[in-house]
Amino acid sequence: QKEVEQNSGPLSVPEGAIASLNCTYSDRGSQSFFWYRQYSGKSPELIMSIYSNGDKEDGRFTAQLNKASQYVSLLIRDSQPSDSATYLCAVDINNDMRFGAGTRLTVKP
Amino acid sequence: DGGITQSPKYLFRKEGQNVTLSCEQNLNHDAMYWYRQDPGQGLRLIYYSQIVNDFQKGDIAEGYSVSREKKESFPLTVTSAQKNPTAFYLCASSSTAQETQYFGPGTRLLVL
Repeated sequence: QKEVEQNSGPLSVPEGAIASLNCTYSDRGSQSFFWYRQYSGKSPELIMSIYSNGDKEDGRFTAQLNKASQYVSLLIRDSQPSDSATYLCAVDINNDMRFGAGTRLTVKP
Repeated sequence: DGGITQSPKYLFRKEGQNVTLSCEQNLNHDAMYWYRQDPGQGLRLIYYSQIVNDFQKGDIAEGYSVSREKKESFPLTVTSAQKNPTAFYLCASSSTAQETQYFGPGTRLLVL
């Protein structure tokens, strides 16, 4: 089992819809969780971090964490074509940050 | 402006040649990292350093070397032993090993 798993996609949603990105992780003791966005040919940029169970909202983005299920997700409301990118999930596994392979999202106008 | 810089943006390597990628940060971060990204793939950890004058191998350290003589700098050398070096190389830093990592703009290495 990979330490951090994401569906590779591509995930395609129409403009204005909600995009849902999912991530599972292997270490039940993980405490820190991050979502990054990476445009093609560019470096990853942090969208959100989450440390506690439940939801955390920032603008159109909501991160959801369920430690019992070892699951973290990112919801993007009112998706825009500019949201088209690869989204990377990162999890602190045994004091090392581990990245998933990323989910490619395409938002169609 | 605080941030992480990498140079050069593009680097060409001839067979048998060692090349060095630069990474500098002025965020006063203790931890620094080097990742390799191949097309359509995730990030793979090459080396990391949690403190000056100390560093550890990541998952794919073979064919690479690093140094951490200053807090601000963490250069990566791609040696001739790395037979497939073509990739996008990303440097990152964080205040501690468990905190958010911030990335530089990356260096794209190509083999002539």
